[in-house]
Amino acid sequence: DAKTTQPPSMDCAEGRAANLPCNHSTISGNEYVYWYRQIHSQGPQYIIHGLKNNETNEMASLIITEDRKSSTLILPHATLRDTAVYYCIARLFGNEKLTFGTGTRLTIIP
Amino acid sequence: DTEVTQTPKHLVMGMTNKKSLKCEQHMGHRAMYWYKQKAKKPPELMFVYSYEKLSINESVPSRFSPECPNSSLLNLHLHALQPEDSALYLCASSQADRVAEAFFGQGTRLTVV
Repeated sequence: DAKTTQPPSMDCAEGRAANLPCNHSTISGNEYVYWYRQIHSQGPQYIIHGLKNNETNEMASLIITEDRKSSTLILPHATLRDTAVYYCIARLFGNEKLTFGTGTRLTIIP
Repeated sequence: DTEVTQTPKHLVMGMTNKKSLKCEQHMGHRAMYWYKQKAKKPPELMFVYSYEKLSINESVPSRFSPECPNSSLLNLHLHALQPEDSALYLCASSQADRVAEAFFGQGTRLTVV
């Protein structure tokens, strides 16, 4: 699976959109981009995944650049409960492994 | 039911003890995982079971012994652990053979004394 690079930490004001970047410049054509988050003392929670098209669900939007070398997770209206570590993972289709990198610690500021 | 249930939530064991961690899911998932997470670090994959067969062992020491008695249950048997094995142990499950999200339990907080 391709290596992903994320900023170690970010702050965002409550009510604003949180934009979390992820770089995956060596991603291959059949590797999906997954996002998970882990709130303190809980297990990781799936957020969203995509291959090449932008995706949206009730939790977030995922924007993948046309060359697929980077992506952005958008939480449209951040709340204090969105404070967590966010992990971006590139995962090859059919690969049983789900390997976490160091992630971004997002803090929502009141 | 979209839950992965892990028991116990907390466990303290001595270095000579034998204990087991249990994980259960009823989502019909045929892939199940064990992860280990140390404080302020990302989860590290230990084992993957696919269709009740061990498919991945990430060079985990033999003092950790996984078992998948049926498609809903996953156990992790612990024996002769060291204090450095103290960590949060996470179980997860997902659909096999497809691109799918994994569901995680809340973990077992293990302390080896």
